[in-house]
Amino acid sequence: QQPVQSPQAVILREGEDAVINCSSSKALYSVHWYRQKHGEAPVFLMILLKGGEQKGHEKISASFNEKKQQSSLYLTASQLSYSGTYFCGTGPYSGGGADGLTFGKGTHLIIQP
Amino acid sequence: DTGVSQDPRHKITKRGQNVTFRCDPISEHNRLYWYRQTLGQGPEFLTYFQNEAQLEKSRLLSDRFSAERPKGSFSTLEIQRTEQGDSAMYLCASSFGTSGYNEQFFGPGTRLTVL
Repeated sequence: QQPVQSPQAVILREGEDAVINCSSSKALYSVHWYRQKHGEAPVFLMILLKGGEQKGHEKISASFNEKKQQSSLYLTASQLSYSGTYFCGTGPYSGGGADGLTFGKGTHLIIQP
Repeated sequence: DTGVSQDPRHKITKRGQNVTFRCDPISEHNRLYWYRQTLGQGPEFLTYFQNEAQLEKSRLLSDRFSAERPKGSFSTLEIQRTEQGDSAMYLCASSFGTSGYNEQFFGPGTRLTVL
């Protein structure tokens, strides 16, 4: 099942904060966040693992609520370069499940000067 | 480290023709993934390799799709008897490690248009 992202789109002024949410109907073992700019490949931001481990860029913060099967990505003091589409990917799942990621439909973020 | 490369970047074909795409991963990466992305959607997982072994294929993947990774280096994705619904961006990604809990580096993609 595809994770659900919210909001679908958000427009901010430079310097404002944003929160992007990702929720799943399946038990989550990891959540992967990527940003994609128009016409470019997705770029890795962060991985959050069950148990609290995180891998990612220092300037990016995110949370992972295992009980609620949700993750949130926090963008503070947004810069123009933050514009793009943010995708969360869920998986792999334990117990012999898929190792490929299942991505949400994305959240479009537009930062205006 | 030159990143993940894909060839060709664009492919236009007629319905019913076969097409083949190539992906060259980052040299030390043992895992290679193929995804498909259509407008307004996130990448959709197709298949992945660990070294030369194809470990998983999406249940949604048609039998017209086949992928190989001989010698655990580059990979090819072939689509036989293309259909208009195959039009999409085909993305390749690679990672290092033996689990899916590692950063995937994406290539620039091959945009397929089926007329």
